[in-house]
Amino acid sequence: GAVVSQHPSWVICKSGTSVKIECRSLDFQATTMFWYRQFPKQSLMLMATSNEGSKATYEQGVEKDKFLINHASLTLSTLTVTSAHPEDSSFYICSAVNRDKRYEQYFGPGTRLTVT
Amino acid sequence: GENVEQHPSTLSVQEGDSAVIKCTYSDSASNYFPWYKQELGKRPQLIIDIRSNVGEKKDQRIAVTLNKTAKHFSLHITETQPEDSAVYFCAATDSWGKLQFGAGTQVVVTP
Repeated sequence: GAVVSQHPSWVICKSGTSVKIECRSLDFQATTMFWYRQFPKQSLMLMATSNEGSKATYEQGVEKDKFLINHASLTLSTLTVTSAHPEDSSFYICSAVNRDKRYEQYFGPGTRLTVT
Repeated sequence: GENVEQHPSTLSVQEGDSAVIKCTYSDSASNYFPWYKQELGKRPQLIIDIRSNVGEKKDQRIAVTLNKTAKHFSLHITETQPEDSAVYFCAATDSWGKLQFGAGTQVVVTP
């Protein structure tokens, strides 16, 4: 149980284009999902908290107009990187909180984004 | 907000020896402390966690201890094996229930 999928697993895009990343909880309902960014050899940095049916809350320094988050259902959250630039190249990982196990977060496999 | 510090940043151990990673946190309201193992290019995997009402927890070769008074918690891996080589992250929940991660420890187990 507690499987989280992410799609795509990797993507290459050109500067100025937008990329959408999906995060799904496959066998449980997640009222809350988190989006992280991880640069090489660094820790996970929380970008935003995605709550089903409400607006996402963003961490300080994260541009909400650049990183659009939608949590349309209890099993799906999407992150759209708009007008991507090379400095947005990173490993993006989502996690989902099982609403029946309040603290435990389960991570998706991550999406490797490369902006050329 | 919560601040989690993790030491050491790298740890080399001989196969069969023990490995210890230590973390401190700042928010006294934190009450959940998970440890994750991350292999290169893969997702973090939860390996053990502890809640603030427990001082120690063990799962086979892995154990975690928590000292709430001192605000520190540690991961202990005994009888290390080459497959234990990975980056390990500690984390603590802040008062909003969000996880704050430590900087990570690269563990290398040499045969």
